[in-house]
Amino acid sequence: QITLKESGPTLVKPTQTLTLTCTFSGFSLSTSGVGVGWIRQPPGKALEWLALIYWDDDKRYSPSLKSRVTITKDTSKNQVVLTMTNMDPVDTATYYCAHRLGDILTGYYGSFGFDYWGQGTLVTVSS
Amino acid sequence: QSALTQPASVSGSPGQSITISCTGTSSDVGGYNFVSWYQQHPGKAPKLMIYDVSKRPSGVSNRFSGSKSGNTASLTISGLQAEDEADYYCSSYTSSSTFVFGTGTKVTV
Repeated sequence: QITLKESGPTLVKPTQTLTLTCTFSGFSLSTSGVGVGWIRQPPGKALEWLALIYWDDDKRYSPSLKSRVTITKDTSKNQVVLTMTNMDPVDTATYYCAHRLGDILTGYYGSFGFDYWGQGTLVTVSS
Repeated sequence: QSALTQPASVSGSPGQSITISCTGTSSDVGGYNFVSWYQQHPGKAPKLMIYDVSKRPSGVSNRFSGSKSGNTASLTISGLQAEDEADYYCSSYTSSSTFVFGTGTKVTV
């Protein structure tokens, strides 16, 4: 059974750096094809993809946020960390981590999407 | 990359069918068969409903179906039920090996 859970501060001040941790179980980020992504959703607004890290440490970022976002993994701890610099009130959102679509039983990861999501964590940016 | 374009709202009566469109470009929707659809109820995390344009994950009702023509993908919900009332988002893989989500559609039953 795959589960993911986000953790981190609920409140950050403008210009500060946000660090969020995604702790997961039911799969390993050392398995070929596996990936974990971050997606956010401002209150009342649409989903926005932020970043994704693959088992081989390949990293992909949203072009609009690439200069501010870093994604890393700790395979031994089953964790993925997202850092976002220079936080602004417009970055107030629920941040989700999600498992890259794939079959953990067969090891087939030939699609692109997100099949398991964490519950999300609301981060408010305010002084 | 710009968000994929979806209608803001779609409504239908119980038992009817509705279709939600998702328009992108040849660099995303039109270029790959990696379009997925997500259902989101208020206060909940998104749930994968369709992937690879038209495939349903195990456990998703066959009332949900997906298709694509050119740069536009579509999600059809047939036999509309009260529980289908939610927000729906499309997403696509892109030519930059990134992902892009749609603007979201509120479905009212």
